[in-house]
Amino acid sequence: AQSVTQLGSHVSVSEGALVLLRCNYSSSVPPYLFWYVQYPNQGLQLLLKYTSAATLVKGINGFEAEFKKSETSFHLTKPSAHMSDAAEYFCAVSSSNSGYSTLTFGKGTMLLVSP
Amino acid sequence: KAGVTQTPRYLIKTRGQQVTLSCSPISGHRSVSWYQQTPGQGLQFLFEYFSETQRNKGNFPGRFSGRQFSNSRSEMNVSTLELGDSALYLCASSASGTDTQYFGPGTRLTVL
Repeated sequence: AQSVTQLGSHVSVSEGALVLLRCNYSSSVPPYLFWYVQYPNQGLQLLLKYTSAATLVKGINGFEAEFKKSETSFHLTKPSAHMSDAAEYFCAVSSSNSGYSTLTFGKGTMLLVSP
Repeated sequence: KAGVTQTPRYLIKTRGQQVTLSCSPISGHRSVSWYQQTPGQGLQFLFEYFSETQRNKGNFPGRFSGRQFSNSRSEMNVSTLELGDSALYLCASSASGTDTQYFGPGTRLTVL
């Protein structure tokens, strides 16, 4: 079974500050990892994905994440927060089985950005 | 290319009724997955369809069912609604052979 743990249900930063959202995973096979963002009353938007090509993955809106196998982590970062980054962020692991996959999500981290 | 669309966006039902939600995947995507999102349980996998066949199912009661049509559009049905079924239901599609899922805006179901 695979699982994802997101540390911190809420993270508060000031505009212009570093954003760090933590994600640890558990997987019995090499994982595919994803970060999604959800704005109020909307669906999930894909930010970035790790599929074993490179450990540092760059995504949209200036976000990036680094896959660290030894730490089973896939933390999301952004050098400088913007007010528009305020949203809920979900880390997910893909459990591929027999050619199809299912996403297992963490509980989510709400990012609050203050001026 | 148009994204995943879901209809309706909002739905209010009463306990005991049944409901059908619809999802149209991205053009060319043949896999459709459904997830339930609630404040208490978070995002939970319901089921996944590919070429009109259910390939995987989450841990939900039999009141939750789905189907996929030959054009890859999918529907999910919930019978005998309970208050706890109030949730955001998300549909996602993916291309064959990939793990990346693209989500629709969701259907917000409220059961009174």
